[in-house]
Amino acid sequence: QKEVEQDPGPLSVPEGAIVSLNCTYSNSAFQYFMWYRQYSRKGPELLMYTYSSGNKEDGRFTAQVDKSSKYISLFIRDSQPSDSATYLCAMSEFRNRDDKIIFGKGTRLHILP
Amino acid sequence: NAGVTQTPKFQVLKTGQSMTLQCAQDMNHEYMSWYRQDPGMGLRLIHYSVGAGITDQGEVPNGYNVSRSTTEDFPLRLLSAAPSQTSVYFCASSYSGQGVSDTQYFGPGTRLTVL
Repeated sequence: QKEVEQDPGPLSVPEGAIVSLNCTYSNSAFQYFMWYRQYSRKGPELLMYTYSSGNKEDGRFTAQVDKSSKYISLFIRDSQPSDSATYLCAMSEFRNRDDKIIFGKGTRLHILP
Repeated sequence: NAGVTQTPKFQVLKTGQSMTLQCAQDMNHEYMSWYRQDPGMGLRLIHYSVGAGITDQGEVPNGYNVSRSTTEDFPLRLLSAAPSQTSVYFCASSYSGQGVSDTQYFGPGTRLTVL
């Protein structure tokens, strides 16, 4: 079983819809959870991060972590065509300097005008 | 600040050729890393460095060398290119590499094709 699983999509939704992106993981030691956004032919950029369980909101974006289920989500409200991108989840233990960030494969999202 | 810059943007090599992918950052970041991104595989760490003179292997280091003689630069060398190294390569940097609040900045990527 891979450490981080993410459905690659593509996911197509109409403009204005609520988008739900998800990842599951197997390593219970992960405690930092991140979402990166990557536009076509660009490098990833950090969108949001959370520590341990709970929710975090930033504008139209909400990140949720359920450590008991080893499941994380990113919700996008009032989705816009400019949200069309690949979204990568990532996580790490960050206990030691050598702890790596493990990335999901990314979900391609298309917001249809 | 230019952030993280990578050159070249595109490169085509023949099997067996060698080349160096350049990466530079002007943010005085200690931590730098190289990833490759392949369809269906996500981002995989090749090598990383926690400071000048210090490098270490990531998940997929075979076929690649790195060095870190200055804080700013972190070149990735392909010793003898193979078709399996066809990929998009990203360089990233962060202040210390420790902690999620230490944002990792990615460069624009180098698209490499090995024939």
